[in-house]
Amino acid sequence: QSALTQPPSASGSPGQSVTISCTGTSSDVGGYNSVSWYQHHPGKAPKLLTYEVSKRPSGVPDRFSGSKSGNTASLTVSGLQAEDEADYYCCSYAGSNNWVFGGGTKLTVL
Amino acid sequence: QLQLQESGPWLVKPSETLSLTCTVSSGSVSSRTYYWGWIRQPPGKGLEWIGTIYYSGSTYYNPSLKSRLTISVDTSKNQFSLRLSSVTAADTAVYYCTRQDGNYHDYWGQGTLVTVSS
Repeated sequence: QSALTQPPSASGSPGQSVTISCTGTSSDVGGYNSVSWYQHHPGKAPKLLTYEVSKRPSGVPDRFSGSKSGNTASLTVSGLQAEDEADYYCCSYAGSNNWVFGGGTKLTVL
Repeated sequence: QLQLQESGPWLVKPSETLSLTCTVSSGSVSSRTYYWGWIRQPPGKGLEWIGTIYYSGSTYYNPSLKSRLTISVDTSKNQFSLRLSSVTAADTAVYYCTRQDGNYHDYWGQGTLVTVSS
């Protein structure tokens, strides 16, 4: 199984919206509604932002939203804040009890 | 609040076996609802799913690691463990243990850096 494809970097100014893509295949992203997104500040534990494509755990601001179209999932961060600067990873179920992560996207708040 | 804590040697010699334990508190590895996972992040790289275990002992391994990997659970100690044999420098990484709810990881340990070096 190959890692899902994410852009290495993304950026936006405070208050703006940024969308990060996560491209897989019909065997993972496109085949299941089982995409999750994680925020990772270096040195800390990753944090679950969304699961099952677009659901948010309690406590996660609605500024974070997930979606999917075909083999590509997306995470949109609205109303960018300084503390949103972090690495973001997507993850998808890939069938046969296997899971695959994306390579990660470093989000910079300008 | 569920907490997970990784423990084990931070330095492992090449060709030897890397062993880590995850201790679960304020929760039970015997839960029939959740699975328990291991994920790693090599320096400067992304996250990689290593494997997952259910309280019953059923295991699911990353195919790229399967031949070297053993994940086990000890319900009496409320722990689950990872053993990765024949390690090389490529296995140097921060290793995280997680609670896995279906297809997502909702709780993570703080992570532990394991370096493979002679």
